[in-house]
Amino acid sequence: GEDVEQSLFLSVREGDSSVINCTYTDSSSTYLYWYKQEPGAGLQLLTYIFSNMDMKQDQRLTVLLNKKDKHLSLRIADTQTGDSAIYFCAVSGNTPLVFGKGTRLSVIA
Amino acid sequence: ETGVTQTPRHLVMGMTNKKSLKCEQHLGHNAMYWYKQSAKKPLELMFVYSLEERVENNSVPSRFSPECPNSSHLFLHLHTLQPEDSALYLCASSPETGNTEAFFGQGTRLTVV
Repeated sequence: GEDVEQSLFLSVREGDSSVINCTYTDSSSTYLYWYKQEPGAGLQLLTYIFSNMDMKQDQRLTVLLNKKDKHLSLRIADTQTGDSAIYFCAVSGNTPLVFGKGTRLSVIA
Repeated sequence: ETGVTQTPRHLVMGMTNKKSLKCEQHLGHNAMYWYKQSAKKPLELMFVYSLEERVENNSVPSRFSPECPNSSHLFLHLHTLQPEDSALYLCASSPETGNTEAFFGQGTRLTVV
């Protein structure tokens, strides 16, 4: 089955850019998502990219997809303390979403 | 507000108790899910319902019993749980079961004592 991998921790200074990486195994994945989870809350859909795209930008968020390497990244520009959360990569094909373990982003003021 | 509401938000229960978690979605979706999120473990997909029929059961112990009376409501009935079942239980819904994003509720934080 699908396997989604992410690094577990990332620490950045306020105002810097954050880059969270994800790799997946199933090349037939059609939609790829980034979710954000704040403490004590559920998962909030941040953005997504369709597999025939290689980049999508939405305000401070940039998603890059390298389909050949099965690599997805989320760049957060001008990272703020409010961006501190766990970020989950998820991929979707003909089955329910498969999630990575999540990357805990800590923003240092 | 994601359109998916879970109650209660917090629940403490003894190992001999019976309780139920409730999920309701107002999005007109056909698929609903239960996930378990434990500390230091990835999100675990427990059950998938599509049009009120269970389509996936990922080797979940029988002390967890789901119920989907209609496409807007999903329950998780709990009985004789163990302390290791303490976790955040997340409900989600999506238009269909594949090729689509899921919308999550806020979760129920369950503590088994």
